[in-house]
Amino acid sequence: GQNIDQPTEMTATEGAIVQINCTYQTSGFNGLFWYQQHAGEAPTFLSYNVLDGLEEKGRFSSFLSRSKGYSYLLLKELQMKDSASYLCAVMDSNYQLIWGAGTKLIIKP
Amino acid sequence: GAVVSQHPSRVICKSGTSVKIECRSLDFQATTMFWYRQFPKKSLMLMATSNEGSKATYEQGVEKDKFLINHASLTLSTLTVTSAHPEDSSFYICSAREGNEHREQYFGPGTRLTVT
Repeated sequence: GQNIDQPTEMTATEGAIVQINCTYQTSGFNGLFWYQQHAGEAPTFLSYNVLDGLEEKGRFSSFLSRSKGYSYLLLKELQMKDSASYLCAVMDSNYQLIWGAGTKLIIKP
Repeated sequence: GAVVSQHPSRVICKSGTSVKIECRSLDFQATTMFWYRQFPKKSLMLMATSNEGSKATYEQGVEKDKFLINHASLTLSTLTVTSAHPEDSSFYICSAREGNEHREQYFGPGTRLTVT
């Protein structure tokens, strides 16, 4: 079966760095997405990786290793507004998104 | 970036009535639209995938007669919750994708449905 694993909850301090991991097993691979979702709102797109390596976009970076079925989202210089759920999703061979359960990130002052 | 709108944003209805939710892609043609449901503190659950002009493909466990999906044009899809019950209360989110080449899904703002 298809499976996406990510931690349920993480806590970090304002100004610090946090890494959210995601491992996956899917039928085919057409890219991995990270989305941010604040409570009561729809997800917003953060990043897309289809090749191995690190993609940097401001304070956020996303890494992919296809051979290991592994990705991480790195958030630097954490701000209180970064408190949200972070969803990892993999696009399978049918171009369907397989969603992880999300990681709730709590930022403390 | 691409914009997807959803209407209404919030709706309260009585048990037994039907509710229609609209999802529109405002500045692109959405060949595929997705309908998700999300319970509090849970991840997105895909309900169905619809391609313009064809019948929706429902995920296992989703009642197609209860959740009617219509994707009549490249910019509009509707989800109708028929004979709603309190257990149908949830956050419903649509997303839209422009072909397979443009892989990103653009999400609507969601509709909070409360059935009393």
